Amino acid sequence: AQTVTQSQPEMSVQEAETVTLSCTYDTSESDYYLFWYKQPPSRQMILVIRQEAYKQQNATENRFSVNFQKAAKSFSLKISDSQLGDAAMYFCAYYGPGAGSYQLTFGKGTKLSVIP
Amino acid sequence: GAGVSQSPSNKVTEKGKDVELRCDPISGHTALYWYRQSLGQGLEFLIYFQGNSAPDKSGLPSDRFSAERTGGSVSTLTIQRTQQEDSAVYLCASSPPGTTAYNEQFFGPGTRLTVL
Repeated sequence: AQTVTQSQPEMSVQEAETVTLSCTYDTSESDYYLFWYKQPPSRQMILVIRQEAYKQQNATENRFSVNFQKAAKSFSLKISDSQLGDAAMYFCAYYGPGAGSYQLTFGKGTKLSVIP
Repeated sequence: GAGVSQSPSNKVTEKGKDVELRCDPISGHTALYWYRQSLGQGLEFLIYFQGNSAPDKSGLPSDRFSAERTGGSVSTLTIQRTQQEDSAVYLCASSPPGTTAYNEQFFGPGTRLTVL
């Protein structure tokens, strides 16, 4: 079974600085997708960024970028120029279409605080 | 357009009572998912519906949990004889057709269930 591990329960960053959230996963699949979701206090999960495993180029979305290391099974999220609105829970998630299931497998999350 | 909606937003019930949680997916979305988020944990998959196909119930934790989806749209998650360990946030997500390859899921705001 696939597992997703986020080893940092909490992180903090100064406003305008850069922070990196870690995620590792375990899978025997070769083709899969990885996601970072943001969950603010409103509880609504928002997709931040998606990475396709067969693409070597790291995905970027404005201030958000990932460092995808397929061999190491590592998928970290970098937030540049942190803003107060970035404060939230961040979840790393895995989806492997070859597994025959359409569920996302989530890590336990990292709570990010942004210090003004 | 309107996003995924869930009702009620919060539900407090007594141990042993039955509860029903409702999810209205985005119009036109064929796939619907239920997840459970316990305090300090990531999201745990419960059940998946795709069109008129038989649902994937592999994540339901016990036979006290059931879900149905009427007319391929609205879904109801029912928990019978609630227990205190059922206290959690229940999140619903939906996906548009043609996205199962990368499984883009749009989440609702969840229902916070508290069992006293």
